[in-house]
Amino acid sequence: GENVEQHPSTLSVQEGDSAVIKCTYSDSASNYFPWYKQELGKRPQLIIDIRSNVGEKKDQRIAVTLNKTAKHFSLHITETQPEDSAVYFCAASLTSGTYKYIFGTGTRLKVLA
Amino acid sequence: SQTIHQWPATLVQPVGSPLSLECTVEGTSNPNLYWYRQAAGRGLQLLFYSVGIGQISSEVPQNLSASRPQDRQFILSSKKLLLSDSGFYLCAWSERVSGNTIYFGEGSWLTVV
Repeated sequence: GENVEQHPSTLSVQEGDSAVIKCTYSDSASNYFPWYKQELGKRPQLIIDIRSNVGEKKDQRIAVTLNKTAKHFSLHITETQPEDSAVYFCAASLTSGTYKYIFGTGTRLKVLA
Repeated sequence: SQTIHQWPATLVQPVGSPLSLECTVEGTSNPNLYWYRQAAGRGLQLLFYSVGIGQISSEVPQNLSASRPQDRQFILSSKKLLLSDSGFYLCAWSERVSGNTIYFGEGSWLTVV
């Protein structure tokens, strides 16, 4: 069935360093790939997204890259800050007429001051 | 602008009792609607999604059910709760066209005791 794998499950970085989270999807028909940030006890919030006709997108310290051939996409956070500490989820939109979104299992990012 | 609201925010229910969580979306028509569950420290599990009134797709066999009595209303129910039903329940919506951002409600914390 449809699947999105996300790695790593936990990631600790020093403040100011970069963090990279990777996801792989199985359905080649997927065309939309959002990333969400979830702080403890709160709802997931969209931080950046990318569509299949684009290879890279950047928004200040956050960037996402997409490799359609390999069916993987990555989140890059540069100059990390303590407030970046949260759980990050990737997702892939399955387009086979069902409009489903399948989420990765999440990455707990800790930025150490 | 579009808003999504779900309630109640928290509830503690005894095993075997019924459940009703409600979600409404404002500012859009014909949205796709979703119910996700998140166990403590875990990922997002898709429970149900709906592309229209009365149209419900179930992703995981369980003792939960969903209904969509109106275009922008989505209800999650159970006749008899189990301990394993405890978790953080998130309602979400997206535009009807596939490949659009999914937005989450504030979430409902359910503890079954």
